[in-house]
Amino acid sequence: DAKTTQPTSMDCAEGRAANLPCNHSTISGNEYVYWYRQIHSQGPQYIIHGLKNNETNEMASLIITEDRKSSTLILPHATLRDTAVYYCIVRVHPWMDSSYKLIFGSGTRLLVRP
Amino acid sequence: EAQVTQNPRYLITVTGKKLTVTCSQNMNHEYMSWYRQDPGLGLRQIYYSMNVEVTDKGDVPEGYKVSRKEKRNFPLILESPSPNQTSLYFCASRGLAGAVDTQYFGPGTRLTVL
Repeated sequence: DAKTTQPTSMDCAEGRAANLPCNHSTISGNEYVYWYRQIHSQGPQYIIHGLKNNETNEMASLIITEDRKSSTLILPHATLRDTAVYYCIVRVHPWMDSSYKLIFGSGTRLLVRP
Repeated sequence: EAQVTQNPRYLITVTGKKLTVTCSQNMNHEYMSWYRQDPGLGLRQIYYSMNVEVTDKGDVPEGYKVSRKEKRNFPLILESPSPNQTSLYFCASRGLAGAVDTQYFGPGTRLTVL
Protein backbone atom coordinates (compact mmCIF):
# COMPACT_ATOMS: atom_id res chain seq x y z
CA ASP A 1 0.00 0.00 0.00
CA ALA A 2 1.20 3.50 -0.86
CA LYS A 3 2.56 5.74 1.86
CA THR A 4 0.67 8.89 2.83
CA THR A 5 1.88 12.19 4.23
CA GLN A 6 -0.36 14.45 6.27
CA PRO A 7 0.28 17.58 8.33
CA THR A 8 0.66 16.83 12.00
CA SER A 9 -1.96 19.30 13.10
CA MET A 10 -4.38 21.91 11.83
CA ASP A 11 -7.04 24.12 13.25
CA CYS A 12 -10.06 25.94 11.96
CA ALA A 13 -12.87 28.06 13.33
CA GLU A 14 -16.23 26.55 14.09
CA GLY A 15 -18.62 26.94 11.18
CA ARG A 16 -15.85 27.32 8.63
CA ALA A 17 -14.68 24.70 6.19
CA ALA A 18 -11.85 22.45 7.27
CA ASN A 19 -9.59 21.33 4.43
CA LEU A 20 -7.29 18.46 5.30
CA PRO A 21 -4.62 17.60 2.73
CA CYS A 22 -2.99 14.26 2.09
CA ASN A 23 -0.09 13.44 -0.21
CA HIS A 24 0.12 9.98 -1.73
CA SER A 25 2.54 10.45 -4.59
CA THR A 26 3.29 6.72 -4.98
CA ILE A 27 -0.34 5.67 -5.28
CA SER A 28 -0.97 3.03 -7.91
CA GLY A 29 -3.90 2.66 -10.24
CA ASN A 30 -5.74 0.06 -8.17
CA GLU A 31 -5.45 1.87 -4.84
CA TYR A 32 -8.29 3.73 -3.22
CA VAL A 33 -8.07 6.72 -0.88
CA TYR A 34 -9.93 6.29 2.40
CA TRP A 35 -10.46 8.72 5.23
CA TYR A 36 -11.19 7.72 8.79
CA ARG A 37 -11.22 9.80 11.93
CA GLN A 38 -10.71 9.03 15.59
CA ILE A 39 -12.28 11.21 18.23
CA HIS A 40 -10.21 11.09 21.39
CA SER A 41 -9.48 7.38 21.97
CA GLN A 42 -12.80 6.26 20.52
CA GLY A 43 -12.89 3.69 17.74
CA PRO A 44 -11.96 5.00 14.29
CA GLN A 45 -14.90 6.06 12.18
CA TYR A 46 -15.16 5.77 8.41
CA ILE A 47 -15.74 9.08 6.66
CA ILE A 48 -15.41 8.70 2.90
CA HIS A 49 -13.41 7.02 0.17
CA GLY A 50 -12.65 7.48 -3.53
CA LEU A 51 -10.67 6.12 -6.44
CA LYS A 52 -10.32 9.00 -8.87
CA ASN A 53 -13.54 10.98 -8.92
CA ASN A 54 -14.49 13.52 -6.31
CA GLU A 55 -16.91 12.17 -3.77
CA THR A 56 -19.40 13.68 -1.36
CA ASN A 57 -21.51 12.22 1.40
CA GLU A 58 -23.36 13.54 4.42
CA MET A 59 -20.15 13.91 6.39
CA ALA A 60 -17.60 15.32 3.98
CA SER A 61 -16.28 15.80 0.47
CA LEU A 62 -13.19 14.21 -0.99
CA ILE A 63 -11.28 15.96 -3.75
CA ILE A 64 -8.68 13.85 -5.56
CA THR A 65 -6.26 15.55 -7.95
CA GLU A 66 -6.26 14.43 -11.55
CA ASP A 67 -2.87 12.72 -11.19
CA ARG A 68 -4.14 11.11 -7.94
CA LYS A 69 -0.98 12.06 -6.10
CA SER A 70 -2.85 14.03 -3.47
CA SER A 71 -6.30 14.54 -2.05
CA THR A 72 -8.18 16.87 0.27
CA LEU A 73 -10.87 16.03 2.76
CA ILE A 74 -13.32 18.85 3.22
CA LEU A 75 -15.60 19.25 6.22
CA PRO A 76 -17.85 22.02 4.91
CA HIS A 77 -19.03 23.46 8.23
CA ALA A 78 -16.79 22.23 10.99
CA THR A 79 -18.24 21.86 14.48
CA LEU A 80 -16.54 21.33 17.83
CA ARG A 81 -17.49 17.66 17.55
CA ASP A 82 -15.26 17.37 14.49
CA THR A 83 -12.16 17.82 16.64
CA ALA A 84 -10.34 14.54 16.05
CA VAL A 85 -7.36 12.85 14.41
CA TYR A 86 -8.02 12.35 10.70
CA TYR A 87 -6.32 9.50 8.87
CA CYS A 88 -5.77 9.31 5.14
CA ILE A 89 -5.27 5.68 4.09
CA VAL A 90 -4.36 4.40 0.67
CA ARG A 91 -4.94 0.75 -0.03
CA VAL A 92 -5.74 -1.71 -2.76
CA HIS A 93 -9.21 -2.95 -3.41
CA PRO A 94 -10.16 -5.13 -0.42
CA TRP A 95 -10.52 -8.20 -2.64
CA MET A 96 -6.77 -8.03 -3.27
CA ASP A 97 -5.86 -8.21 0.40
CA SER A 98 -7.55 -10.92 2.43
CA SER A 99 -6.45 -9.39 5.71
CA TYR A 100 -8.54 -6.27 5.00
CA LYS A 101 -5.99 -4.58 7.19
CA LEU A 102 -6.12 -0.82 7.50
CA ILE A 103 -2.74 0.83 7.98
CA PHE A 104 -3.18 3.97 10.02
CA GLY A 105 -0.36 6.51 9.90
CA SER A 106 -0.03 9.31 12.40
CA GLY A 107 -2.83 11.38 10.86
CA THR A 108 -3.72 15.05 11.22
CA ARG A 109 -4.92 16.33 14.55
CA LEU A 110 -7.71 18.80 13.73
CA LEU A 111 -8.74 21.28 16.38
CA VAL A 112 -11.96 23.15 15.76
CA ARG A 113 -11.94 26.43 17.69
CA PRO A 114 -15.12 28.03 19.08
CA GLU B 1 -28.58 0.31 15.80
CA ALA B 2 -25.64 -1.21 13.92
CA GLN B 3 -22.71 -1.47 16.26
CA VAL B 4 -19.64 -3.26 17.50
CA THR B 5 -19.48 -3.69 21.26
CA GLN B 6 -16.51 -4.54 23.44
CA ASN B 7 -16.28 -5.57 27.06
CA PRO B 8 -14.81 -4.59 29.34
CA ARG B 9 -14.08 -1.00 28.38
CA TYR B 10 -11.39 -0.67 31.02
CA LEU B 11 -9.36 -3.38 32.69
CA ILE B 12 -6.44 -3.34 35.08
CA THR B 13 -4.86 -6.71 35.71
CA VAL B 14 -1.61 -8.30 36.81
CA THR B 15 1.02 -10.16 34.87
CA GLY B 16 0.10 -13.74 34.08
CA LYS B 17 -3.59 -13.60 34.92
CA LYS B 18 -5.55 -14.86 31.91
CA LEU B 19 -8.15 -12.50 30.53
CA THR B 20 -10.63 -12.29 27.69
CA VAL B 21 -11.88 -9.19 25.94
CA THR B 22 -15.17 -9.81 24.20
CA CYS B 23 -16.26 -8.34 20.89
CA SER B 24 -19.70 -8.62 19.37
CA GLN B 25 -21.28 -7.16 16.23
CA ASN B 26 -24.93 -7.09 15.19
CA MET B 27 -24.45 -6.47 11.47
CA ASN B 28 -24.05 -10.09 10.37
CA HIS B 29 -20.54 -9.28 9.16
CA GLU B 30 -18.29 -12.12 8.10
CA TYR B 31 -15.03 -10.30 8.74
CA MET B 32 -13.81 -9.27 12.19
CA SER B 33 -10.44 -8.18 13.45
CA TRP B 34 -8.53 -6.89 16.45
CA TYR B 35 -6.16 -3.93 16.55
CA ARG B 36 -4.05 -2.46 19.27
CA GLN B 37 -3.13 1.20 19.45
CA ASP B 38 0.00 2.49 21.11
CA PRO B 39 1.46 6.02 21.19
CA GLY B 40 3.81 6.58 18.28
CA LEU B 41 2.98 3.21 16.72
CA GLY B 42 -0.55 3.80 15.50
CA LEU B 43 -3.05 0.98 15.12
CA ARG B 44 -1.66 -2.45 14.39
CA GLN B 45 -3.64 -5.51 13.45
CA ILE B 46 -3.39 -8.45 15.87
CA TYR B 47 -5.67 -11.12 14.38
CA TYR B 48 -8.48 -11.26 11.90
CA SER B 49 -11.22 -13.67 10.92
CA MET B 50 -12.83 -14.05 7.53
CA ASN B 51 -15.68 -16.15 8.87
CA VAL B 52 -16.67 -18.66 11.52
CA GLU B 53 -13.79 -21.00 12.37
CA VAL B 54 -11.43 -19.08 10.04
CA THR B 55 -8.80 -16.94 11.76
CA ASP B 56 -5.39 -15.66 10.76
CA LYS B 57 -2.53 -13.69 12.24
CA GLY B 58 -2.12 -10.00 11.69
CA ASP B 59 1.06 -8.03 12.25
CA VAL B 60 1.44 -8.44 16.00
CA PRO B 61 -0.16 -11.76 17.07
CA GLU B 62 2.40 -12.82 19.70
CA GLY B 63 0.85 -13.27 23.13
CA TYR B 64 -2.74 -13.29 21.86
CA LYS B 65 -5.29 -15.90 20.89
CA VAL B 66 -8.66 -15.55 19.23
CA SER B 67 -11.60 -17.78 18.43
CA ARG B 68 -14.56 -17.46 16.11
CA LYS B 69 -17.19 -19.97 17.07
CA GLU B 70 -20.10 -17.73 16.20
CA LYS B 71 -20.40 -15.16 13.47
CA ARG B 72 -21.22 -12.28 15.80
CA ASN B 73 -18.49 -12.85 18.41
CA PHE B 74 -14.72 -12.60 18.19
CA PRO B 75 -13.09 -12.69 21.64
CA LEU B 76 -9.45 -11.74 22.20
CA ILE B 77 -7.67 -13.93 24.73
CA LEU B 78 -4.51 -13.08 26.60
CA GLU B 79 -3.38 -16.34 28.19
CA SER B 80 -0.55 -14.79 30.21
CA PRO B 81 -0.66 -11.00 29.95
CA SER B 82 2.54 -9.03 30.24
CA PRO B 83 3.12 -5.30 30.77
CA ASN B 84 4.01 -4.80 27.11
CA GLN B 85 0.41 -5.70 26.29
CA THR B 86 -0.78 -2.59 28.04
CA SER B 87 -2.59 -0.84 25.23
CA LEU B 88 -5.86 0.38 23.77
CA TYR B 89 -7.60 -2.41 21.88
CA PHE B 90 -10.17 -2.09 19.13
CA CYS B 91 -12.35 -4.67 17.52
CA ALA B 92 -13.61 -4.07 13.99
CA SER B 93 -16.02 -5.76 11.61
CA ARG B 94 -16.80 -5.53 7.92
CA GLY B 95 -19.27 -7.13 5.58
CA LEU B 96 -17.75 -8.98 2.64
CA ALA B 97 -20.61 -8.52 0.20
CA GLY B 98 -19.73 -5.00 -0.81
CA ALA B 99 -16.70 -3.77 -2.72
CA VAL B 100 -15.99 -0.95 -0.30
CA ASP B 101 -13.70 -1.49 2.64
CA THR B 102 -15.80 0.23 5.31
CA GLN B 103 -14.90 -1.14 8.66
CA TYR B 104 -16.86 -0.49 11.83
CA PHE B 105 -14.87 -0.17 15.02
CA GLY B 106 -15.85 -0.83 18.58
CA PRO B 107 -15.44 1.76 21.34
CA GLY B 108 -12.14 0.35 22.56
CA THR B 109 -10.84 -1.48 25.61
CA ARG B 110 -8.10 0.15 27.62
CA LEU B 111 -5.99 -2.57 29.19
CA THR B 112 -3.32 -2.04 31.83
CA VAL B 113 -1.12 -4.96 32.85
CA LEU B 114 0.86 -4.39 36.04
